[in-house]
Amino acid sequence: DTEVTQTPKHLVMGMTNKKSLKCEQHMGHRAMYWYKQKAKKPPELMFVYSYEKLSINESVPSRFSPECPNSSLLNLHLHALQPEDSALYLCASSQLSTGQGDEQFFGPGTRLTVL
Amino acid sequence: AQSVAQPEDQVNVAEGNPLTVKCTYSVSGNPYLFWYVQYPNRGLQFLLKYITGDNLVKGSYGFEAEFNKSQTSFHLKKPSALVSDSALYFCAVRPPSGGSYIPTFGRGTSLIVHP
Repeated sequence: DTEVTQTPKHLVMGMTNKKSLKCEQHMGHRAMYWYKQKAKKPPELMFVYSYEKLSINESVPSRFSPECPNSSLLNLHLHALQPEDSALYLCASSQLSTGQGDEQFFGPGTRLTVL
Repeated sequence: AQSVAQPEDQVNVAEGNPLTVKCTYSVSGNPYLFWYVQYPNRGLQFLLKYITGDNLVKGSYGFEAEFNKSQTSFHLKKPSALVSDSALYFCAVRPPSGGSYIPTFGRGTSLIVHP
């Protein structure tokens, strides 16, 4: 299985709601990533988990809270978001293999709209 | 610090003609270089990578890229474009093994193939 899955595909939420985005991979990859992407722009790194530990937090506001329950799952908990947080949220994974380039595998994304 | 430049926001090509999408990079040491493609409302999809060895790298869907160390370039090419190749293309770079495994993405180039 060479696929990264993300749920839900679309999410509309109000600024007071709490919701979660989910990501799953079964490729045995040891690094998992959350990116935020605005239309026709490159993905912006938010968080990185390596070996199930948070290794990078790119100064993301605390209204975004990542969680890695196990090596296959990655969640992004959302609370009190702002309209400017509306974007495509992408999950990715990579093997963390030395000397092999370590390309990333991306999920299809969750299209988030904050009203 | 590593960086990637994609000098063209958009590339237009007629179906059946060869296409080139340009990428130049800056990184300490020998780079790992990647090309990803993103179709509308989808995640990024890995196309090809350069790690070491042969400067001409072949990837998915008939795409190839040429690594040129003296010009610090990694241009994406295809001999005969298809309408279905129309998408957003991202070049990415990361330092070689031992450095950060987080890639830096270029701003993206929109490829439009006209029938």
